[in-house]
Amino acid sequence: NAGVTQTPKFRILKIGQSMTLQCTQDMNHNYMYWYRQDPGMGLKLIYYSVGAGITDKGEVPNGYNVSRSTTEDFPLRLELAAPSQTSVYFCASSYSQGQGSSPLHFGNGTRLTVT
Amino acid sequence: TQLLEQSPQFLSIQEGENLTVYCNSSSVFSSLQWYRQEPGEGPVLLVTVVTGGEVKKLKRLTFQFGDARKDSSLHITAAQPGDTGLYLCAGARRGYSGAGSYQLTFGKGTKLSVIP
Repeated sequence: NAGVTQTPKFRILKIGQSMTLQCTQDMNHNYMYWYRQDPGMGLKLIYYSVGAGITDKGEVPNGYNVSRSTTEDFPLRLELAAPSQTSVYFCASSYSQGQGSSPLHFGNGTRLTVT
Repeated sequence: TQLLEQSPQFLSIQEGENLTVYCNSSSVFSSLQWYRQEPGEGPVLLVTVVTGGEVKKLKRLTFQFGDARKDSSLHITAAQPGDTGLYLCAGARRGYSGAGSYQLTFGKGTKLSVIP
């Protein structure tokens, strides 16, 4: 079982460049999430989606955009990369949100450096 | 202000020792999850606790949810090198928007090293 697959694993961007972080899941989960993880700061929610065609902002959405055209895919777009976006990005999915207790299934992350 | 405070931030112990990691908040959560993350990988769920006062055991790991559903602890008995990793707690609350939407808020994590 592939679970949640993220590509690329590593990327270096110059300031002002743009890129798309890809995320796909094969578990038919309705809910998908993008988090960023900075050293010693835990995971911060960027955007989430409760189903195809529906997305919403999380805690730290500025500088990012998302789309959800299919159940499987949830790409994250950085339009004008800034050094503050240097981080490890994790995509996750869950089956439901019943009282928030549905477990998140994470990909292995994309390590992004903006110089 | 961090919604979920985890302590300690770092912990280095010898194999065979016991340890407890704490996750505290002033907010009430509908449920709380514990994850373990190894270098280069995403977090993996260990347990979910839902009821105040609930205790769950997973082999040598014991998880407790506070009576008021504001805090939780993870106790490891006879730690092994394989327990090394970053332990994250995550509390679920109503989401940023939309009825029925829940969001997980993560603590900063406890980095555990178990020395053989």
